[in-house]
This record gives sequence, structure tokens and C-alpha cells, in this order.
Amino acid sequence: EDQVTQSPEALRLQEGESSSLNCSYTVSGLRGLFWYRQDPGKGPEFLFTLYSAGEEKEKERLKATLTKKESFLHITAPKPEDSATYLCAARGSNYKLTFGKGTLLTVNP
Amino acid sequence: EAEVAQSPRYKITEKSQAVAFWCDPISGHATLYWYRQILGQGPELLVQFQDESVVDDSQLPKDRFSAERLKGVDSTLKIQPAELGDSAMYLCASSLVDAGNGYTFGSGTRLTVV
Repeated sequence: EDQVTQSPEALRLQEGESSSLNCSYTVSGLRGLFWYRQDPGKGPEFLFTLYSAGEEKEKERLKATLTKKESFLHITAPKPEDSATYLCAARGSNYKLTFGKGTLLTVNP
Repeated sequence: EAEVAQSPRYKITEKSQAVAFWCDPISGHATLYWYRQILGQGPELLVQFQDESVVDDSQLPKDRFSAERLKGVDSTLKIQPAELGDSAMYLCASSLVDAGNGYTFGSGTRLTVV
């Protein structure tokens, strides 16, 4: 059974304090590792897809990286508007997307 | 920017009543998904359509839930009868077949069963 585990469950940062979110996955035949941002009361918003170990993608203050067992979402010099829940999802050989529970990020000014 | 439309945004219903949610995917997206997200959890797939055909409904509680996409465009998810444990956010998403750019989610329907 495909599994995705995210840590920490919650993270509180000061504005400008860089950190990383972790996503560990166990899927048979990875067909993509996805990162989403979700604001309260809204649907998830697509950020990145990674396909192979060593791949990296960046968008503004966010950078996602992938290894054979984990993915990291690095947040550099975060701002209060980066506060949200960040969801990781893995798609396996059955092409089904399995989500983690998410990391609730709070950035204080 | 193209969006996935969902209605209603909020729904309060009494236990044992019927409730229905509607989704209109992005034009040209053949694949449509219904997810359920309980507060504090990640979304869980209920049903996946490819055009008008169901390709995965293994996690759909078929004794009370039904879903249809009759013309391969918009879709309806129904619950009858609703139970207290059905309170959750119901999310619709759509994608191109390979979904390389991820799935585009709607804003969801927040269901509260009282």
C-alpha cells in the first residue's frame, strides 16, 4: 500500500527564518511526487511535480527536491503570506495520487 | 486562468437526508476526480472518471455514495442518506491524461451533517 508521511505536522517560523518540510514516501513505481499549497477553506493549489531522484524545482521562495525515499520543500526567507498548509502527494504505478496529512506553516511578521 | 467550478460552497444537512454536489472541470480535461478531506487530513480519493467512465471507485462507500459524469463533462456526487461522519470538505479536481502539471482542484464543498 502506498504511503506518504509528512513532518513536522506544524511549523512556526519568524519572517526571514529559512526551513525545510519533509515528505517521506513509499510507493511502487513512482510516477511523480507532487507538492501543493492549501489555504484555509480552499482547494489545494499545485506547486511542483518531481519525477526522478536529484531533480529540483524552484518557485519564488520555494524549492522542492527529491531523493529515492524523500522529498523536501525548502522555504527561503519566508514571508507571512507563505503561511498555509503544504501537502505532498505521490503517484505510483497505479497512477493513483496518495496524499500526506500536510504541514501547517505559520510565518510570523 | 481556467478553474474547476464547484457548488455549493457550503452545505448543512440533517442526518439521513440526501445531499448532492456539482463539479464542472476545466474544459478539455478528460480526467475528473472526487476527493474527501477531513479536517487536518490529506485528501482521499473517492472516485476517478476518464471521460464518462469510472476507472476507480474502490474507496467510494457505494451503499450511500454515488457519482456520475453522464456526458463526460460535469459531474455530480450524491450521498443518501448522509451520516454524521460524512462531515468533510468534498473536493473535485481535473487533469489532462498524463497530469504532469498536477491536478487542478476546485474550492470544494464544505459539508456539515447535523
